[in-house]
Amino acid sequence: QKEVEQNSGPLSVPEGAIASLNCTYSDRGSQSFFWYRQYSGKSPELIMFIYSNGDKEDGRFTAQLNKASQYVSLLIRDSQPSDSATYLCAVNEEGGKLIFGQGTELSVKP
Amino acid sequence: GAGVSQSPRYKVAKRGQDVALRCDPISGHVSLFWYQQALGQGPEFLTYFQNEAQLDKSGLPSDRFFAERPEGSVSTLKIQRTQQEDSAVYLCASTDLGGTYGYTFGSGTRLTVV
Repeated sequence: QKEVEQNSGPLSVPEGAIASLNCTYSDRGSQSFFWYRQYSGKSPELIMFIYSNGDKEDGRFTAQLNKASQYVSLLIRDSQPSDSATYLCAVNEEGGKLIFGQGTELSVKP
Repeated sequence: GAGVSQSPRYKVAKRGQDVALRCDPISGHVSLFWYQQALGQGPEFLTYFQNEAQLDKSGLPSDRFFAERPEGSVSTLKIQRTQQEDSAVYLCASTDLGGTYGYTFGSGTRLTVV
């Protein structure tokens, strides 16, 4: 059974700080990794995807992938209260199916 | 439409009742996925269609769950004889690229079985 693990949190950071969200996965053969943001009562929204080892930056968001350690992270720079949400890590399986972690709740305090 | 549309938005069913949940994918998207999200958990895969073909139904939790996409567009997830453990948000997603670059979810249907 392929697994994706995340700390459920809540992770609390002050406004303007860097939020670091972490995820590990069990299948060493996994190729594609995704971060979704989910506001309370809303559906998940894709914010980043990454395939290659290293960093990928998009605005205030940076995804980091280390396939040797089977580790994916998401950094949010200059965190804003509007970033408060649950962040879901997902790994792509054959056929496009996504295996999700349970999500990490992020709270950004003004 | 501009996005994936799901209906109804909310559904309350009495235990034992049958329900049908509808998903209208983004026009032209060949791949369609259904997920179930319990409170406080990440979404869990239920089933996947490519056009009208159901290619993977390994996530359907029991034979009470049935999904179809007869014309390769709109899909319906049917749950027979609903149980309390079926209470969850049911999410539909579509993509034209098989999910390689992730996909867009609809707003979901929140099912509550009482």
